[in-house]
Amino acid sequence: NAGVTQTPKFQVLKTGQSMTLQCAQDMNHEYMSWYRQDPGMGLRLIHYSVGAGITDQGEVPNGYNVSRSTTEDFPLRLLSAAPSQTSVYFCASSYTGVSGNTIYFGEGSWLTVV
Amino acid sequence: DAKTTQPPSMDCAEGRAANLPCNHSTISGNEYVYWYRQIHSQGPQYIIHGLKNNETNEMASLIITEDRKSSTLILPHATLRDTAVYYCIVVNIMEYGNKLVFGAGTILRVKS
Repeated sequence: NAGVTQTPKFQVLKTGQSMTLQCAQDMNHEYMSWYRQDPGMGLRLIHYSVGAGITDQGEVPNGYNVSRSTTEDFPLRLLSAAPSQTSVYFCASSYTGVSGNTIYFGEGSWLTVV
Repeated sequence: DAKTTQPPSMDCAEGRAANLPCNHSTISGNEYVYWYRQIHSQGPQYIIHGLKNNETNEMASLIITEDRKSSTLILPHATLRDTAVYYCIVVNIMEYGNKLVFGAGTILRVKS
């Protein structure tokens, strides 16, 4: 059971380039999301999805795009990378349980924009 | 904005219990208290959660006051590997999952 898998783990981009961070989960979870974490700060929600075909914006969505064509995958696209998007990105997934949602996180993708 | 208040840092001796407090004075009836931790350079790890009753699992215990305005996470026998940032988060179960609002958390340093 792999859990939540993110790729790539490390990436360096030039300003203006685009790229996609991949996220996959094998737990058949309905809910998936993307967070970013800047140095010394807590995680902030970028986008989330409550099921295939359904996405919504989180706290800091600007400059990012998502889609959810399958239950398993939730890619995050950087449309035109900026230095302000240098951060660590975490993908997460969860199921709905009777006593609340337990959220599982991936190991992170370190992105540097130069 | 985070709905919780935690001390910025705490120290604990190895083998001792670590008691991490959290204030959530504006918590509502639909909101659970969740605890996550983040060990350096890793993704956050779920620890425990509760609504109003005290909870215990293989990792920790969660003590919630009767008025639900504060709680304490207890690591009964802290080890060096428990050194991490601990986040106390209030989650509304009536909302969609995954919408966690992280504050700054408490840096727990376990020392030998």
